[in-house]
Amino acid sequence: NAGVTQTPKFQVLKTGQSMTLQCAQDMNHEYMSWYRQDPGMGLRLIHYSVGAGITDQGEVPNGYNVSRSTTEDFPLRLLSAAPSQTSVYFCASSYSGEGRMTEAFFGQGTRLTVV
Amino acid sequence: AQRVTQPEKLLSVFKGAPVELKCNYSYSGSPELFWYVQYSRQRLQLLLRHISRESIKGFTADLNKGETSFHLKKPFAQEEDSAMYYCALSPTGFQKLVFGTGTRLLVSP
Repeated sequence: NAGVTQTPKFQVLKTGQSMTLQCAQDMNHEYMSWYRQDPGMGLRLIHYSVGAGITDQGEVPNGYNVSRSTTEDFPLRLLSAAPSQTSVYFCASSYSGEGRMTEAFFGQGTRLTVV
Repeated sequence: AQRVTQPEKLLSVFKGAPVELKCNYSYSGSPELFWYVQYSRQRLQLLLRHISRESIKGFTADLNKGETSFHLKKPFAQEEDSAMYYCALSPTGFQKLVFGTGTRLLVSP
């Protein structure tokens, strides 16, 4: 199993450009989420999904869109990139054990720079 | 509101010394608590869950509900323990994590 795969690993965007960060998991996990990691701020939740067709906002959703058409894929779209979106982005998947969070499996991250 | 506080940005110790990485949380219910670790150039991975009460790589963490703390401890640090450590909370019934700001542990020979 590949686990959680993110593409691309690195990306440089110009302000105003749009792009999609891809995330795929092969563990048949119901839950997927996107976090951004910034120095001194830890990881913050952008959006998450509890199953195909169901998404919800996290702590910092502005400027990002998500959709979940299949269990495996959870792409993150930047609508109009801004320098404040320069960050490292992590996708994660997880499953519940008796309604409780068990373990989140993370991708290797995408380092995005907006100039 | 849920919040996780890790007061130390950097903890530097010598090999063989005891280590304690502090974590305090704010949550009105009974959260799930975790420690995640990120070694250099590796992806974030789970180290410990409070509910499993395991010892992983010599690390332990005890949930203290009175002090709302979940400190990570190891009696004798090794150089390979050098990494970024994140304490995280999952609100009851939710499949999402609230992370602290992280503590970088540096173990010197």
